[in-house]
Amino acid sequence: GAVVSQHPSRVICKSGTSVKIECRSLDFQATTMFWYRQFPKQSLMLMATSNEGSKATYEQGVEKDKFLINHASLTLSTLTVTSAHPEDSSFYICSASRQGSRAQYFGPGTRLLVL
Amino acid sequence: LAKTTQPISMDSYEGQEVNITCSHNNIATNDYITWYQQFPSQGPRFIIQGYKTKVTNEVASLFIPADRKSSTLSLPRVSLSDTAVYYCLVESNAGNMLTFGGGTRLMVKP
Repeated sequence: GAVVSQHPSRVICKSGTSVKIECRSLDFQATTMFWYRQFPKQSLMLMATSNEGSKATYEQGVEKDKFLINHASLTLSTLTVTSAHPEDSSFYICSASRQGSRAQYFGPGTRLLVL
Repeated sequence: LAKTTQPISMDSYEGQEVNITCSHNNIATNDYITWYQQFPSQGPRFIIQGYKTKVTNEVASLFIPADRKSSTLSLPRVSLSDTAVYYCLVESNAGNMLTFGGGTRLMVKP
């Protein structure tokens, strides 16, 4: 149990386009989902906390108008990178926690390459 | 949020026991300690979680002293496939956000 999926697993796009990444909790309901970004050889950096039915909370330095987060249901959160630029190329990982559990379950990640 | 400190890297050989220690001096009363494993280009995978003393599951043991200012992840008889980055985190509340430190890069050699 506690499986989190992400789609797509990797995406290549042109500079200036927008990319949507989906995060789904497959076998549990997640009231809270988290979005992280990870650059090569570095640790995960939290971007935002996504709560079902409400606006996401962004970490300092993360542009909310550039990284749009929608958490429309208890099993789905989406991250849209708007007007992507090469510096947005990174590994994006989501995680979800289920009610009553302290552990977070991570998705497999999405590798974004902006040309 | 409690900050964690771990060794940057460790080397071991197949079949050995590996112990990775993490310090979290400002851990709060209600905080839990959780360890994750991450392989390249994959999301972190939950290994073990504990509050105090010792916790054991099918893959690892977690030792937490009485003052809870540190914890040690113990991996028995490591194999090459245990080569990964291991992160120690302190979780404040159920479902609360995690702050990742640098992690420990474990290299298991044949």
